[in-house]
Amino acid sequence: AQKITQTQPGMFVQEKEAVTLDCTYDTSDPSYGLFWYKQPSSGEMIFLIYQGSYDQQNATEGRYSLNFQKARKSANLVISASQLGDSAMYFCAMRELPDSWGKLQFGAGTQVVVTP
Amino acid sequence: DTAVSQTPKYLVTQMGNDKSIKCEQNLGHDTMYWYKQDSKKFLKIMFSYNNKELIINETVPNRFSPKSPDKAHLNLHINSLELGDSAVYFCASSQDYESSGLSTDTQYFGPGTRLTVL
Repeated sequence: AQKITQTQPGMFVQEKEAVTLDCTYDTSDPSYGLFWYKQPSSGEMIFLIYQGSYDQQNATEGRYSLNFQKARKSANLVISASQLGDSAMYFCAMRELPDSWGKLQFGAGTQVVVTP
Repeated sequence: DTAVSQTPKYLVTQMGNDKSIKCEQNLGHDTMYWYKQDSKKFLKIMFSYNNKELIINETVPNRFSPKSPDKAHLNLHINSLELGDSAVYFCASSQDYESSGLSTDTQYFGPGTRLTVL
């Protein structure tokens, strides 16, 4: 069964606008970590932001913030003030604890295109 | 200073050949991983090593053999390459795999190796 669901295969956003990328996850473990990675057209995987299941506050990192709703099992990424360089594929991932041995499980990704 | 590096970046080869991909990390991490990204961009773990010891071996054909000579290096050798092996292979590393938290959990990825089997 798919553990991470990203329902938006692609989206367009205008420069300077905010965009929300959806991510829902499925786990029965109380301890887990949620991650977002960015993959530009050049191909590398860039770590953006992390949210631990016990973290009380939503994670923020510069223009990136994570809207963590534990009861709904969602971890949406918000990019504020979009820039042309934000055009990329964005992946949500989860690591369950214990016994995952560090394995990251990825969603299918959301392709974001920022337009001028 | 590249944190996680892979060589080669591109690899084009014929079916049936044997090839290797090398990975090195200079982050001082204890755990390293191999992921495969298929043509639909889906990422899936293949292997994980902690301090040179294999800890994850997903259902990967035994034509794939990882080797970790030390905790900073994790290589992937593929025998008898098949068309379906064409993909991008990513190496990654993290400080730990047993504890949780931003610093220990986060996996940093190499630039990827695009393998094309003809």
